[in-house]
Amino acid sequence: GAVVSQHPSWVICKSGTSVKIECRSLDFQATTMFWYRQFPKQSLMLMATSNEGSKATYEQGVEKDKFLINHASLTLSTLTVTSAHPEDSSFYICSATTGPLLNTEAFFGQGTRLTVV
Amino acid sequence: GQQLNQSPQSMFIQEGEDVSMNCTSSSIFNTWLWYKQDPGEGPVLLIALYKAGELTSNGRLTAQFGITRKDSFLNISASIPSDVGIYFCAGRMGGKLTFGQGTILTVHP
Repeated sequence: GAVVSQHPSWVICKSGTSVKIECRSLDFQATTMFWYRQFPKQSLMLMATSNEGSKATYEQGVEKDKFLINHASLTLSTLTVTSAHPEDSSFYICSATTGPLLNTEAFFGQGTRLTVV
Repeated sequence: GQQLNQSPQSMFIQEGEDVSMNCTSSSIFNTWLWYKQDPGEGPVLLIALYKAGELTSNGRLTAQFGITRKDSFLNISASIPSDVGIYFCAGRMGGKLTFGQGTILTVHP
């Protein structure tokens, strides 16, 4: 299957600082990327849908000014957690689709463990 | 957001046993997907189902897309220790995936 790479795999940051997480599709062009958040022993919750060259669509309850998403190219989307606080500590996962959404699978990155201290 | 009802939440089985888990929803989906997630990793796609009633196998895994489009099951036959992990169902309508709560599978040698 297609490969999606996420970087970094884990990051520890101080409260109040910002953290950027990258999601790259390595061997395909991803017109759409998705960002999820996962708390321990819980399911994946969609945060936002990122389309190349346009503004991201955020799910209800997700602060767009806190979780900045940029999808500048067909192979890269970034999620920036601004002014991070301990409650932002979580596992963040991106996924990318290979084409028209009806009959294509979504491939996931390996996730980024964010710990805010 | 909406979640699918996935059951069971956890399973403890002996190596060699068969496993069955399922997902139900009040909404219909165009696609059902089954993923496996290892600790600290992203989900890995196991099986994708695109048509109501479709039955698909991938090695020891078999999954079906319910005829009503509101449910799906996953069977694992002859389990082995490396089957340990969290299994998620996901339904897709349009571009978004909705995930089940996950089934934690533990396999005792």
